[in-house]
Amino acid sequence: QSALTQPRSVSGSPGQSVTISCTGTSDDVGGYNFISWYQQHPGKAPKLMICDVSKRPSEVPDRFSGSKSGNTASLTISGLQAEDEADYYCCSYAGSYTLVFGTGTKVTVL
Amino acid sequence: DVQLVESGGGLVQPGGSLRLSCAASGFMFNTYWMTWVRQAPGKGLEWVANIKQDGSDKYYVDSVKGRFTISRDNAKNSLYLQMNSLSAEDTAVYYCARRSRNMDFDFWGQGTLVTVSS
Repeated sequence: QSALTQPRSVSGSPGQSVTISCTGTSDDVGGYNFISWYQQHPGKAPKLMICDVSKRPSEVPDRFSGSKSGNTASLTISGLQAEDEADYYCCSYAGSYTLVFGTGTKVTVL
Repeated sequence: DVQLVESGGGLVQPGGSLRLSCAASGFMFNTYWMTWVRQAPGKGLEWVANIKQDGSDKYYVDSVKGRFTISRDNAKNSLYLQMNSLSAEDTAVYYCARRSRNMDFDFWGQGTLVTVSS
């Protein structure tokens, strides 16, 4: 049950794209397509942004997209906006009804 | 609207116990898995425990096994987390979350802070 590895921080200017990686193992990220991503603003509860690797809940802007290759999942934010500045966490099913989160990535809009 | 409201957090001494509650509304509580997730101050999210719709199956992160117990009362639309033998490492905001039909958490409460300190 080790945390998935994410970069500590990524940054971009408004309108640019940023990609956050989430690296695990074949026991979690690589073994299942139950990957989700959460956005968390300071002092707030997390918000679901992506589920099942690449599906977006209806209220999430289509600037957010997810993908997976092998043991690494990715979240891409296209057309970066000021309100996207937040912490982002990936989460993967890890078998036996357990889940594991990533270490978290701070996105800064320059 | 779906609402999850946690309560029961506070200051507790090392070795002590605390029971968290989560009141659910706006959805059919007894048809969803429920989850506790915690976040230590300035740290990342950590999945803590899951419970099946009827309470028959429960799963925990290794660090809380034998100390924490997740439970639910479907008649009261409520989720609980009994925490025993608490240590400083358990200091965190504890979130109640609804697990969707798959393995993601589609609704979250606002969290309740547990501080373990003498």
